[in-house]
Amino acid sequence: EVQVVESGGGLVQPGGSLRLSCTASGFTLSRYWTHWVRQAPGEGLVWVSHINGDGSSATYADSVKGRFTISRDNSKNTVYLQMNSLRAEDTAVYYCAAWGEDDYWGQGILVTVSS
Amino acid sequence: DVVMTQSPLSLPVTLGQPASISCRSSQSLVHSNGDTYVNWYQQRPGQSPRRLIYKVSDRDSGVPDRFSGSGSGTDFTLKISRVEAEDVGIYYCLQGSHWPPWTFGQGTRVELK
Repeated sequence: EVQVVESGGGLVQPGGSLRLSCTASGFTLSRYWTHWVRQAPGEGLVWVSHINGDGSSATYADSVKGRFTISRDNSKNTVYLQMNSLRAEDTAVYYCAAWGEDDYWGQGILVTVSS
Repeated sequence: DVVMTQSPLSLPVTLGQPASISCRSSQSLVHSNGDTYVNWYQQRPGQSPRRLIYKVSDRDSGVPDRFSGSGSGTDFTLKISRVEAEDVGIYYCLQGSHWPPWTFGQGTRVELK
């Protein structure tokens, strides 16, 4: 069964850090460019970051550039999102998505930045 | 950055009737390779997004044929030929021709009258 599972979310204080993980099963994640997309409560979808299949290239939305870092460990079929200097406006459900000829999304993980 | 503008933002529909959602981009979405990378996603209440259409008009596997995508340049449309109850949700267009960033439309909420 094809599955994408995010983990590592939770409540963090402003200025704090979290590392999200995205683990795929049933398919080889390295064959896909993998993206993080977030959705603030009651809001629409916003693209955050992407990494290519071998991890040699990554891009970021301006709103997270310099604070977030995406990486991958293909031996673990996993992509990570290291989030530093978190702000209240980073509060959202974060989705991991593998985009290509097929399109796979995780169930999402909630990140809440609040004191 | 490419801005994707959807309309309407709210679409009350009648079961069995057609529905149409428009998505306009701030610049042409024809990629240098000649393809146009516009996808449509459905997000049902409480669920993750699901891709319905890719590259303007290609339907994903398992997507009912009542869904169709069309358009070119800066104007794109998602059509539902006959709305069913399971089609309730929010629909987003996404452009992937000029990145970063990949950009979504604001979303169109489809609800039953």
